[in-house]
Amino acid sequence: RKEVEQDPGPFNVPEGATVAFNCTYSNSASQSFFWYRQDCRKEPKLLMSVYSSGNEDGRFTAQLNRASQYISLLIRDSKLSDSATYLCVVNMNTGFQKLVFGTGTRLLVSP
Amino acid sequence: NAGVTQTPKFQVLKTGQSMTLQCAQDMNHEYMSWYRQDPGMGLRLIHYSVGAGITDQGEVPNGYNVSRSTTEDFPLRLLSAAPSQTSVYFCASKRTSGGTDTQYFGPGTRLTVL
Repeated sequence: RKEVEQDPGPFNVPEGATVAFNCTYSNSASQSFFWYRQDCRKEPKLLMSVYSSGNEDGRFTAQLNRASQYISLLIRDSKLSDSATYLCVVNMNTGFQKLVFGTGTRLLVSP
Repeated sequence: NAGVTQTPKFQVLKTGQSMTLQCAQDMNHEYMSWYRQDPGMGLRLIHYSVGAGITDQGEVPNGYNVSRSTTEDFPLRLLSAAPSQTSVYFCASKRTSGGTDTQYFGPGTRLTVL
């Protein structure tokens, strides 16, 4: 089993749609969770951290389910500019700084 | 602030050649790291450093060396390039060695080994 797993997509949605991505992780001792956004041929950039209580930033909502070992990202009212690859990142909290990146979920928002 | 800078942006090498990928940050971050990104795989950690003079291996260190003589610079050396090292390389830095701080990435170096 991969340490961090994501559906690669692509998710094709129209503008204004709501879309959700899930990401599962294997290490129950993981402490920190993040969603990064990566545009085509660019570097990843932090979208948001994921807190135990869940958190919201504008149209984006992230949630953590420790019991089932998954995190989710919900995007409401999708914009064309949301088209990107979304990377799930988990800090495995092992001896060295093991940030494990998922392979990413590609989102395509169409007019 | 320039953030994290990497040079070169693109590089083509022949098998067996050596080269150094440069990385610098001006945010006074203690923690710096190198990743490689390959199609269908997540970013994989090559080497990392928690401060000047301190480096350690990540999950895919073979064929690469690093050094950290200053807080700002963290070069990655390919000792004898192989086609399997064709990849996109990202350098990253963050403020502390803790897991909760934002990691900033450089723009990447696209390396092709023939």
